[in-house]
Amino acid sequence: DTAVSQTPKYLVTQMGNDKSIKCEQNLGHDTMYWYKQDSKKFLKIMFSYNNKELIINETVPNRFSPKSPDKAHLNLHINSLELGDSAVYFCASSQAGPSTDTQYFGPGTRLTVL
Amino acid sequence: DAKTTQPPSMDCAEGRAANLPCNHSTISGNEYVYWYRQIHSQGPQYIIHGLKNNETNEMASLIITEDRKSSTLILPHATLRDTAVYYCIVRSSNTGKLIFGQGTTLQVKP
Repeated sequence: DTAVSQTPKYLVTQMGNDKSIKCEQNLGHDTMYWYKQDSKKFLKIMFSYNNKELIINETVPNRFSPKSPDKAHLNLHINSLELGDSAVYFCASSQAGPSTDTQYFGPGTRLTVL
Repeated sequence: DAKTTQPPSMDCAEGRAANLPCNHSTISGNEYVYWYRQIHSQGPQYIIHGLKNNETNEMASLIITEDRKSSTLILPHATLRDTAVYYCIVRSSNTGKLIFGQGTTLQVKP
């Protein structure tokens, strides 16, 4: 049983397209996150949702929009994709708020923009 | 947010203990030290965390100095599968954000 799952694992697309990455957790956690890992391997938080409400929103272009249909899902929509969006995107979840608990990460989605 | 400093890389012989140091001299009193690792092409994996006392679990031990300005992650019997990038993180007490640095690339050799 995968605790935090992401689909797709790989995503190759053209510049200007709109794409979505899905994340689901079956841990019963209240908080979910999106991270971006660039080509230099730096891992940076993008968003955090607690009980479907946005609580962390780092300086991310508004082409990126997270959507949380329910507590177990946090999807990432990206509009007008650019070359610089190529990266590995990781979803994570934790039990309580972001100040209190351990985060569990998904396997990542490798996005390549051509 | 407190910053951490780690050596960029370390080697360890298989079966020996791997001791990974981390400096966090600006840590605040209520900030936890977390350790994660990332095996190639996988998501980060939680290892252990602590506040003041030393901690041990099935994966590792965490030794935190009395002044809390540094810590050491110990993998007691390293295996080839422990080869990974190890991140020492001081978790922000305000936001709880995990701010990942460059980490230490641990290479376990046969």
